[in-house]
Amino acid sequence: AQSVAQPEDQVNVAEGNPLTVKCTYSVSGNPYLFWYVQYPNRGLQFLLKYITGDNLVKGSYGFEAEFNKSQTSFHLKKPSALVSDSALYFCAVRDLNTGNQFYFGTGTSLTVIP
Amino acid sequence: DTGVSQDPRHKITKRGQNVTFRCDPISEHNRLYWYRQTLGQGPEFLTYFQNEAQLEKSRLLSDRFSAERPKGSFSTLEIQRTEQGDSAMYLCASSSPLGEKYEQYFGPGTRLTVT
Repeated sequence: AQSVAQPEDQVNVAEGNPLTVKCTYSVSGNPYLFWYVQYPNRGLQFLLKYITGDNLVKGSYGFEAEFNKSQTSFHLKKPSALVSDSALYFCAVRDLNTGNQFYFGTGTSLTVIP
Repeated sequence: DTGVSQDPRHKITKRGQNVTFRCDPISEHNRLYWYRQTLGQGPEFLTYFQNEAQLEKSRLLSDRFSAERPKGSFSTLEIQRTEQGDSAMYLCASSSPLGEKYEQYFGPGTRLTVT
């Protein structure tokens, strides 16, 4: 079965420090992987995606993520956190073998402390 | 504004009533998705359209739910005989004609409260 796990409900990091938001996935075939961010009272906004190619992908607002096939992970990272990065982050996967459904994780709430 | 729009943004209804939500995707996007999101959870897939054809539907979707996209542009999601458990945020998303590789763009959602 296809699934996405975000093991941390909450991540706190000091402003200026590097941040990591974890995501692991389970699919039967090759995955397309995505990260979205949700600010209060706003819709989900696309951050970045991995389709194929370089395992390190760069996205909006200085975020990047690394695809690790052996660990089935797609962790979101940023070298230096900003207070404005505080939001809810969702990892999503699409399994090419099972149609057009996207499977989302339960989300990780990131708080950047000034 | 060329983003995905949804109407209404909020809906309060009494149990047993029918409700209908509308989604207008980005104009050149032919793929449209409906999701449901409850507090503390990620979006849960409901159904998917390519142009006017409804190609996928979640097995979890009750038969009280129906969606249409009659002209391949806007879509409606109707919930009949609403129940309190239907209270959630209903999200619409669209993606480009090359949808396999392309990200989905989400609307702001319609928050449904069933009393």
